[in-house]
Amino acid sequence: NAGVTQTPKFQVLKTGQSMTLQCAQDMNHNSMYWYRQDPGMGLRLIYYSASEGTTDKGEVPNGYNVSRLNKREFSLRLESAAPSQTSVYFCASSPSSSLVQYFGAGTRLSVL
Amino acid sequence: AQSVTQLGSHVSVSEGALVLLRCNYSSSVPPYLFWYVQYPNQGLQLLLKYTSAATLVKGINGFEAEFKKSETSFHLTKPSAHMSDAAEYFCAVTKGGSYIPTFGRGTSLIVHP
Repeated sequence: NAGVTQTPKFQVLKTGQSMTLQCAQDMNHNSMYWYRQDPGMGLRLIYYSASEGTTDKGEVPNGYNVSRLNKREFSLRLESAAPSQTSVYFCASSPSSSLVQYFGAGTRLSVL
Repeated sequence: AQSVTQLGSHVSVSEGALVLLRCNYSSSVPPYLFWYVQYPNQGLQLLLKYTSAATLVKGINGFEAEFKKSETSFHLTKPSAHMSDAAEYFCAVTKGGSYIPTFGRGTSLIVHP
């Protein structure tokens, strides 16, 4: 039972470098989400995709881009990483019929 | 707009004691309410949810929460804490018609032997 799979689990970047965080779900869910988690801040929504082919900005989209590659995959790209983007990133998915979200294990990113 | 307030960033209890984690929400329409748990180095997983059925909701691992509209609260309780309950707990609210939740800032539950 894979659920939501995120890669990589850990990453260290230098300021200005770019990278893509990958997320895939095998539950045939329509909606997918990217969050960042910072100490004392809870989860903040970066981008979401209500269905294949659509993406929308969340609360903190600046500095990020996303691609809903197909129904299974939703990637998050940092074009030019900044130290303020040091965080734990979570991908989640949910079926249209339910408001419950299913989360991946997270990607721990440090930008030096 | 909707928002969630979790009172207390840390709650410390002794093993066997009552667990009470507080959550208050604001929503202009009847809300859907959730509690998620996050164990160290893991993603969030659903504990329980309220979606306008019974106001007392039972979840996994002996947790339950009661929706009190007059108090705009959805506090999480467990009669007897276990060491394995040590984790971060998040309250979330989604208003009807939306599938985008607003999460609280989280409460870290510490369980002492």
